[in-house]
Amino acid sequence: AQTVTQSQPEMSVQEAETVTLSCTYDTSESDYYLFWYKQPPSRQMILVIRQEAYKQQNATENRFSVNFQKAAKSFSLKISDSQLGDAAMYFCAYRSYYQGGSEKLVFGKGTKLTVNP
Amino acid sequence: EAGVTQSPTHLIKTRGQQATLRCSPISGHTSVYWYQQALGLGLQFLLWYDEGEERNRGNFPPRFSGRQFPNYSSELNVNALELEDSALYLCASSPGSLLPSNQPQHFGDGTRLSIL
Repeated sequence: AQTVTQSQPEMSVQEAETVTLSCTYDTSESDYYLFWYKQPPSRQMILVIRQEAYKQQNATENRFSVNFQKAAKSFSLKISDSQLGDAAMYFCAYRSYYQGGSEKLVFGKGTKLTVNP
Repeated sequence: EAGVTQSPTHLIKTRGQQATLRCSPISGHTSVYWYQQALGLGLQFLLWYDEGEERNRGNFPPRFSGRQFPNYSSELNVNALELEDSALYLCASSPGSLLPSNQPQHFGDGTRLSIL
């Protein structure tokens, strides 16, 4: 079974600074997808960024980028130019590549990000 | 485009009662997923429905059940409620299992179930 570990329960960053959230995972599969979701106090889970395991290039979405290290099974999220609206719980998630298998997301326990003005 | 909608927003029940939570997926999505987000336990996968059938089930007792209707909306039923069932229940949808898994799941705002 796949597992996802987020070792930082809480992180804080100053507005306009850069912060990196860590995520490691365990799997025996070679093809899979990784996601970062954000959950503000409003509760809705919002997709931040996704990465296909077969792509070596790290995904980037505006101020959000990932450092995907497949051999190390590491998938960290970097937030540049942090804004007050980035404050939220961030969840790392794993999903198997569909070949008749489960499509469930396996989540880490989350990292609470605080952005200080 | 309307997102995933869940109802009710908050549900208060007592031990032993039954609860029904509802979810409407994004138009065109055929897959619906249910997750439980309990305090301190993170998000746990509950159920996956696609094209009206249950495709996969998480490690939850049989009193957690559900169904998917022809319009792809879904219900989650929890029987014989226990205090530990208090949690946020999130529903997500995606285009469907016939498409590659890189299609992300889109989440609703959740139903907060409180057991007294």
